[in-house]
Amino acid sequence: EVQLVQSGAEVKKPGESLKISCQGSGYSFTTYWIGWVRQMPGKGLEWMGIIYGGDSDTRYSPSFQGQVTLSADRSISTAYLQWDSLKASDTAMYYCARRFCTDTSCYLGSYDIWGQGTKVTVSS
Amino acid sequence: QSALTQPRSVSGSPGQSVTISCTGTSSDVGRYNYVSWYQQHPGKAPKLIIYDVTTRPSGVPDRFSGSKSGNTASLTISGLQAEDEADYYCCSYAGHSTFVVFGGGTKLTV
Repeated sequence: EVQLVQSGAEVKKPGESLKISCQGSGYSFTTYWIGWVRQMPGKGLEWMGIIYGGDSDTRYSPSFQGQVTLSADRSISTAYLQWDSLKASDTAMYYCARRFCTDTSCYLGSYDIWGQGTKVTVSS
Repeated sequence: QSALTQPRSVSGSPGQSVTISCTGTSSDVGRYNYVSWYQQHPGKAPKLIIYDVTTRPSGVPDRFSGSKSGNTASLTISGLQAEDEADYYCCSYAGHSTFVVFGGGTKLTV
């Protein structure tokens, strides 16, 4: 079964650092892009960025550039989303998702496999 | 404010059809045929239901269909069922500076 499994919920204080994970299984991690999506409480989806599992090539949304860091460890088929200094406004659900590909093509902006989400709460 | 504009809510009765619009600009929806739609039930991860404007992934019922005209994409759900009640999000590729933008989401009530 193809799946993405994310790390568990986190409760942090402002100013703390955090790294959450997204482990892929059932497919070749190194041949797919993994995207990250934020969903603030009661709000819509926001695209944060994307990383290629093969060589960690990364693209960031201008809204999140410099605010977070994406990384990946291909040896364990895991992508990461990291903050150096959390803010209360980082409180949200974070999803990782695999970019959709068929046998012949990959599709920009389309994500077919999603993790279950990691809830991050930042509060003093 | 989201990059793509969707109505906040739509409603329909079982068996009816509804259409959800998604308005962008000539830099995203209008320029690229890379519009996708996602369905999200409460407390669940989003699910891809349309990609490349009109294509349904395997397993998605043909009651769901997508289209585009100019800067506006649309999702039509025909033969509404109670299980279709969810939030729906459009998404578009927006070039190699912005990359991907989502709509603000539409709550469908059946």
